[in-house]
Parts: sequence; C-alpha cells; structure tokens
Amino acid sequence: DAKTTQPNSMESNEEEPVHLPCNHSTISGTDYIHWYRQLPSQGPEYVIHGLTSNVNNRMASLAIAEDRKSSTLILHRATLRDAAVYYCILSWTGRRALTFGSGTRLQVQP
Amino acid sequence: DTAVSQTPKYLVTQMGNDKSIKCEQNLGHDTMYWYKQDSKKFLKIMFSYNNKELIINETVPNRFSPKSPDKAHLNLHINSLELGDSAVYFCASSTRTSGGLRWYFGPGTRLTVL
Repeated sequence: DAKTTQPNSMESNEEEPVHLPCNHSTISGTDYIHWYRQLPSQGPEYVIHGLTSNVNNRMASLAIAEDRKSSTLILHRATLRDAAVYYCILSWTGRRALTFGSGTRLQVQP
Repeated sequence: DTAVSQTPKYLVTQMGNDKSIKCEQNLGHDTMYWYKQDSKKFLKIMFSYNNKELIINETVPNRFSPKSPDKAHLNLHINSLELGDSAVYFCASSTRTSGGLRWYFGPGTRLTVL
C-alpha cells in the first residue's frame, strides 16, 4: 500500500480554520485519498474523500495537489468537537480494507 | 437508527476465558470487518467478510474466530484470552460509492483481560 505521512499533532483555536496536511508521494493513479477521524472513545468516522479534484462537503474541504502527491484537509471553522485524530488514507477501489497510519492529533483550544 | 452497533461496549474478563463480541449493521452493506486498536492506538484490520464469505484474514492467532451468520452480523469469538488481547475492537461495514469504498465503524468494544 502507498504510504501517507502526517504530522503527529496540531493545535488550533476555536472558530479558526485548520489545515491538516498529508503527503503521499507514492500515490498511484487509482488511489483515492480518504480522510477519517476518530473522536475520543469513538470509532473512526468518515470525513471526506477524493481522487483528483478538490472536494467539499458539510464537514470539510479536501484540497488535492495537482500532482496528487499531497493533500490538505480543511476545517473551515474548528470547534471543540473537532478535536480528534485525523487519518489520511489511500485506498483503491479494489482494496478491501482501510490501512490506518498514526494520524494527526488535532487539539482545539477555546 | 444506529448504523453499526456492537455489544458489549465493555468486557472485563480473566485470562484463559472464552468471550464473544457481537456486531450488527443495518445499512444493508455486503462487507463487514473487525479491527483491533491496541494501547498505542494503531488500528489494524483483522478480518473481513463479504456476504458471509471470509475475504481478509490477517495474521491473527487461531484463538480468534469470526463468524457471520448473515450479511448483517459479524461476531468475533476469542478463545483462551491472553493479557495481550486487551484492546478496543471495532466492527465496520463498507459500501461501494461512485467515489470508491466508504467505511462505517461501530463504537468499539473495550476488552480488558486480567
């Protein structure tokens, strides 16, 4: 599986935007970029995913570099509830399971 | 209207015992999984079933045996529990979307072996 690299931790202030980076220099053409997050004491939950174009949903935006070797998850206005571990994961449609790395622990300060 | 549910939420037991964790999904998905999250918080795939057929079986001790009575249920039975089995176990299901697969996780079962 292609590997992703994320910072171990990041801090943000409440109601400010947060940009969570992810490097995936060995991404293949069929890999989708997935983002999941794990809130404290909960199971991972889907945030967003994309292939080549930038994507937006009600939770976040995903900005994908033109060469697809990096991407950025954007939380437009962080809230305390957004404090979680965020995982950037590559997966192609034939892959049967998600392979989690260590993720980025996001702390949100009031 | 819980999508993926697991029981029990907490399980405390003695070494050597046999225990089961149950998982149910009401999403109509064909594929279900068991993941293990250890004390270092790494999530690792253990098993996956597609329509009651085992399709992923990672390097897991034989003491762990998944069972899928139907495509909405995937149970995990653990024999002769060991201290190292203490972890949080997550059940998940997945579905194919226009943008690839999407996974849904249960709330987890925290297993403590004493």
